[in-house]
Amino acid sequence: GAVVSQHPSRVICKSGTSVKIECRSLDFQATTMFWYRQFPKQSLMLMATSNEGSKATYEQGVEKDKFLINHASLTLSTLTVTSAHPEDSSFYICSAPHNTGELFFGEGSRLTVL
Amino acid sequence: AQSVAQPEDQVNVAEGNPLTVKCTYSVSGNPYLFWYVQYPNRGLQFLLKYITGDNLVKGSYGFEAEFNKSQTSFHLKKPSALVSDSALYFCAVRDPPKWNGGYNKLIFGAGTRLAVHP
Repeated sequence: GAVVSQHPSRVICKSGTSVKIECRSLDFQATTMFWYRQFPKQSLMLMATSNEGSKATYEQGVEKDKFLINHASLTLSTLTVTSAHPEDSSFYICSAPHNTGELFFGEGSRLTVL
Repeated sequence: AQSVAQPEDQVNVAEGNPLTVKCTYSVSGNPYLFWYVQYPNRGLQFLLKYITGDNLVKGSYGFEAEFNKSQTSFHLKKPSALVSDSALYFCAVRDPPKWNGGYNKLIFGAGTRLAVHP
């Protein structure tokens, strides 16, 4: 089946630094990708929709200057957490819709900000 | 606005017994409904979906779900639970495809933790 790869799976960084998370659709093209954030024991919160060749669409309450999203190609979207703080520590998951209509998810990236 | 509700935080089942994980939805128009499973520190895996057609949908790993329009429910079921089914289960809904074929975002329920005991 289709595969979405997310990297890194785990990252630890110091407060104030920036962290980039990559999401790749390995065997299909995706003009749209979705970024979710998941807090411990909670559901997935949609952060933004990345669109290839145009600006991302952010959900209400999500700081677009804090969470930079770039959809550089039909197979790659990146999420950069800028000036990370401990409250940004979370599990971030990307997903990409396949042309079959199914949404495939990456394995997630656990960010820990010290 | 589209939404789904999963009324149970956790469901406990003995291995071999049938299991049900509940989901109700609120949508305008015809819903596209999904079930996903998440194992610890992993992404989500697709189990099944309802778009149209037969109300009983069969999915991966022996799971099935029944779409009930009158009760606005889409409960996940399995006739005989396995310990390996223990995981976090999410019900989700999205609008049908956009007029230009674009994919609408998926809205998730709060999740239900399924614990299957030996």
